[in-house]
Amino acid sequence: LAKTTQPISMDSYEGQEVNITCSHNNIATNDYITWYQQFPSQGPRFIIQGYKTKVTNEVASLFIPADRKSSTLSLPRVSLSDTAVYYCLVGDKSGGSYIPTFGRGTSLIVHP
Amino acid sequence: GAVVSQHPSWVICKSGTSVKIECRSLDFQATTMFWYRQFPKQSLMLMATSNEGSKATYEQGVEKDKFLINHASLTLSTLTVTSAHPEDSSFYICSARGGGLGEQYFGPGTRLTVT
Repeated sequence: LAKTTQPISMDSYEGQEVNITCSHNNIATNDYITWYQQFPSQGPRFIIQGYKTKVTNEVASLFIPADRKSSTLSLPRVSLSDTAVYYCLVGDKSGGSYIPTFGRGTSLIVHP
Repeated sequence: GAVVSQHPSWVICKSGTSVKIECRSLDFQATTMFWYRQFPKQSLMLMATSNEGSKATYEQGVEKDKFLINHASLTLSTLTVTSAHPEDSSFYICSARGGGLGEQYFGPGTRLTVT
């Protein structure tokens, strides 16, 4: 399983764009990159998933460079409700043996 | 998207008793379910993986006789914490995988407090 490294914490202010980068130097050819959001005392919530280049949905964008050794989750115009822990996971989701393993995550605090 | 439920959402039990937590996939068939434990301000730690109709695979350091996992159907897995102790107090989260693309869906979690 590819190991991931993220900043432990980040601070931002309402209305700003937040970019959280995850390093995954040992990513395998079949691995996808998935980001989850978790609020206290809740289960993780799926944010976005990608394989290469750029993926965008209604809540975030995911940028993946050509070498795929890192990825950046971009949250546009954050609000106080975006304060949460964000996890980057890497694995072959199409494989029957894929087990989602969580790293330490990034604790994002959005200030008024 | 697919929904995974857990019951109960929180439970308080006395030391020495057993507690069962249910995890259900509500609108899809989950071929594989995972159980995690999360202590305050820490990440999710995988406890075990279970496939429907077969024995669970436990992660290193997780006592299989203490944390009994049953995955009797494609929509239900249960985790039983036997002879619970205060150190078992934690947030337990399940996730389910189903469908050809192997998507993961997480339950809302169960807060266990052992007194």
